[in-house]
Amino acid sequence: AQSVTQPDIHITVSEGASLELRCNYSYGATPYLFWYVQSPGQGLQLLLKYFSGDTLVQGIKGFEAEFKRSQSSFNLRKPSVHWSDAAEYFCARPIYNNNDMRFGAGTRLTVKP
Amino acid sequence: ETGVTQSPTHLIKTRGQQVTLRCSSQSGHNTVSWYQQALGQGPQFIFQYYREEENGRGNFPPRFSGLQFPNYSSELNVNALELDDSALYLCASSSQKGADSPLHFGNGTRLTVT
Repeated sequence: AQSVTQPDIHITVSEGASLELRCNYSYGATPYLFWYVQSPGQGLQLLLKYFSGDTLVQGIKGFEAEFKRSQSSFNLRKPSVHWSDAAEYFCARPIYNNNDMRFGAGTRLTVKP
Repeated sequence: ETGVTQSPTHLIKTRGQQVTLRCSSQSGHNTVSWYQQALGQGPQFIFQYYREEENGRGNFPPRFSGLQFPNYSSELNVNALELDDSALYLCASSSQKGADSPLHFGNGTRLTVT
């Protein structure tokens, strides 16, 4: 079935360090892919989306993601993490047969001072 | 620009009761989707409404039902509540129907079923 997988449940990085959150997708030649962020007690906010074209996508808050067809991946990166980046991050892809935006299980990011 | 608002923010119900959750979509958005997010999990798609009609549904039983009004606001109704219905319910609006339009989420309604 078409889905996204986030292999890391929880990641801890030091403030100022670089970050990479993994997302793998299954099925679909060139799927549309999204990254959302959820701060505690909040709804989800769109960070960036990939539809086609340039495989390196820039988003809000200094995040970027790279689509790699050969690895079926769409990993999220940030060169220098800030304490305010501590949140839950979700990768997602559309499922067209029922208009579902299918979310991964999420990766919780903790930022150490 | 007014964002997505949901009410109430928290709700406690007893098993077997019925509940109605409300959502006002972002201005200019005609599509509303509802998601259930259990603790520690990603959001699960319940259904989508476009112009007052259901436009896609996830793997939820019929006791989960919805409405969309002419002003594009929406309600989620859950009958015969079960303990497993305890979750954060998220409403999201989008400017187009379908699966790939970016979603704008409200802060959710936390439902506790005892």
